[in-house]
Amino acid sequence: DTAVSQTPKYLVTQMGNDKSIKCEQNLGHDTMYWYKQDSKKFLKIMFSYNNKELIINETVPNRFSPKSPDKAHLNLHINSLELGDSAVYFCASSQVGWTLIEGGYGYTFGSGTRLTVV
Amino acid sequence: DAKTTQPPSMDCAEGRAANLPCNHSTISGNEYVYWYRQIHSQGPQYIIHGLKNNETNEMASLIITEDRKSSTLILPHATLRDTAVYYCIVPNTGGFKTIFGAGTRLFVKA
Repeated sequence: DTAVSQTPKYLVTQMGNDKSIKCEQNLGHDTMYWYKQDSKKFLKIMFSYNNKELIINETVPNRFSPKSPDKAHLNLHINSLELGDSAVYFCASSQVGWTLIEGGYGYTFGSGTRLTVV
Repeated sequence: DAKTTQPPSMDCAEGRAANLPCNHSTISGNEYVYWYRQIHSQGPQYIIHGLKNNETNEMASLIITEDRKSSTLILPHATLRDTAVYYCIVPNTGGFKTIFGAGTRLFVKA
């Protein structure tokens, strides 16, 4: 059983198109995230959701719209794709308050979605 | 900006110990240090974390200095499969907005 699963794994699309990436976790975590990893390998937080509520929106263009229908799912919809959106997008989850819990194991990441905009 | 600084790359001979340093001089008293690694372009994987005391698990050991301003991840017997990017992070409270730096790219050589 994959703990955090993302689909699709690869996505190649043309500029201007709209696409979605789906994420599901079966860990019972309350918090989910989207991270973007660019060509320099920096992992940058995009959104954090806690119990379906948006907590962090890290100055991401409003072409990116996350949706969390329930605690186990966090999807990412991208409108009017641009060349600069090409990157690997990672979904992650964690238990709430994990940073204050001695046994908190932090983030569990999905395997990533490689988005290429041509 | 990342709250941690790490060397961009390191080499290690297979079978030898790999010691990966991390500076986190602005760490607060109740903030943990976490280590993750990313193999190829897979999702980062948890390795170990600690607050004050040294920690050891089946994957690695974590040595934290007494002033908590730096730490070292130790892979006791590195294998070729340990070649990866290693991230040292200090999550903010709640972990909602953790910054990952560029990490250290570890090359384990035969």
